[in-house]
Amino acid sequence: DTAVSQTPKYLVTQMGNDKSIKCEQNLGHDTMYWYKQDSKKFLKIMFSYNNKELIINETVPNRFSPKSPDKAHLNLHINSLELGDSAVYFCASSFRAPGANVLTFGAGSRLTVL
Amino acid sequence: RKEVEQDPGPFNVPEGATVAFNCTYSNSASQSFFWYRQDCRKEPKLLMSVYSSGNEDGRFTAQLNRASQYISLLIRDSKLSDSATYLCVVKPGQNFVFGPGTRLSVLP
Repeated sequence: DTAVSQTPKYLVTQMGNDKSIKCEQNLGHDTMYWYKQDSKKFLKIMFSYNNKELIINETVPNRFSPKSPDKAHLNLHINSLELGDSAVYFCASSFRAPGANVLTFGAGSRLTVL
Repeated sequence: RKEVEQDPGPFNVPEGATVAFNCTYSNSASQSFFWYRQDCRKEPKLLMSVYSSGNEDGRFTAQLNRASQYISLLIRDSKLSDSATYLCVVKPGQNFVFGPGTRLSVLP
């Protein structure tokens, strides 16, 4: 059973389109994250949700909108895609409690904007 | 200054070599520290947590110096399968902050 699963794995689309990436975890974690890894391989936090509540919202264009229907799911919707949005988007999850700190990643969703 | 900095790399070493990775962090409030490993076109995976007293897991040894805000990872007797990017990770609060990574290639 995959612990953190995200779909789709690959996404190729035109500039200006809207797309969504879905993420689900079956680890019982209470916190979920979206990270972006660009062409320089730098992994940067975008958003974090704890029990459906937004707790981290880094400087990300408001074309990116996360949604967490429950603590096991965190989806990412992107409007009006731009060339610079091309990257690998990783979903991850963990427990929030101090000391219980392992971050588990999904396999990534590779977005290419043409 | 970046929150987490690492050796730029890449490191190319022969099998059996010992290799050391260095990492510094800027937020003195950081409480948790980790090394993650990322293989090419894969997701990062936890290699080991780093404890104040230092810790070892087989061929891997991690050290933490809170006063210097410095973390290290030592790999002894490196194997071909150790080839990957090694990511230093620091948790100052709610967020896991990743360093830029250091790529290691172990050569036959």
